[in-house]
Amino acid sequence: AQSVTQPDIHITVSEGASLELRCNYSYGATPYLFWYVQSPGQGLQLLLKYFSGDTLVQGIKGFEAEFKRSQSSFNLRKPSVHWSDAAEYFCAVASSGTYKYIFGTGTRLKVLA
Amino acid sequence: SAVISQKPSRDICQRGTSLTIQCQVDSQVTMMFWYRQQPGQSLTLIATANQGSEATYESGFVIDKFPISRPNLTFSTLTVSNMSPEDSSIYLCSVAGSTYEQYFGPGTRLTVT
Repeated sequence: AQSVTQPDIHITVSEGASLELRCNYSYGATPYLFWYVQSPGQGLQLLLKYFSGDTLVQGIKGFEAEFKRSQSSFNLRKPSVHWSDAAEYFCAVASSGTYKYIFGTGTRLKVLA
Repeated sequence: SAVISQKPSRDICQRGTSLTIQCQVDSQVTMMFWYRQQPGQSLTLIATANQGSEATYESGFVIDKFPISRPNLTFSTLTVSNMSPEDSSIYLCSVAGSTYEQYFGPGTRLTVT
């Protein structure tokens, strides 16, 4: 069965520190991959997406993610976290050519001043 | 990206009643989606709403409980019928982007007492 796993429910980092949020998926073929951020009381905002090509993708707000086929992973990174990055982050996967998403369970990021 | 609004932003309802949630988009879109996000949980797709056709429901969701209308390319409604406390969730609509991404509304926070 297709699935998406975000192993870390909560992550706490200090402001200015680097960040990596993990996402692993189980899919039969190369899926479309997405990262979304949800701030408290808000909807979801698309950070970045991967369909094909260069495995390192750049997104908004200084985020990037790397697709690693051999590890079935699509981890989100940011070199220096800002206090405003505190939010919940969702990884999502869709079959190629479809809009049918499967979301991970989310990782809640806390940023210490 | 599309700008999406939802009404109401939140509501508290009594069990046994129904609530209709509106989703308005600032541009014409072919595909719209309705999701449920239960407290502390990830997003689950309820149905896909295409203009001019019946909504397509995911496993575990039925039209009698969650009737959906899609009268034109910029608007959709989701009704949560005969509500119980288990229906307390955030309900989000989203629209399809041009390259398989989705754009989300701010959500409707529903509490059923």
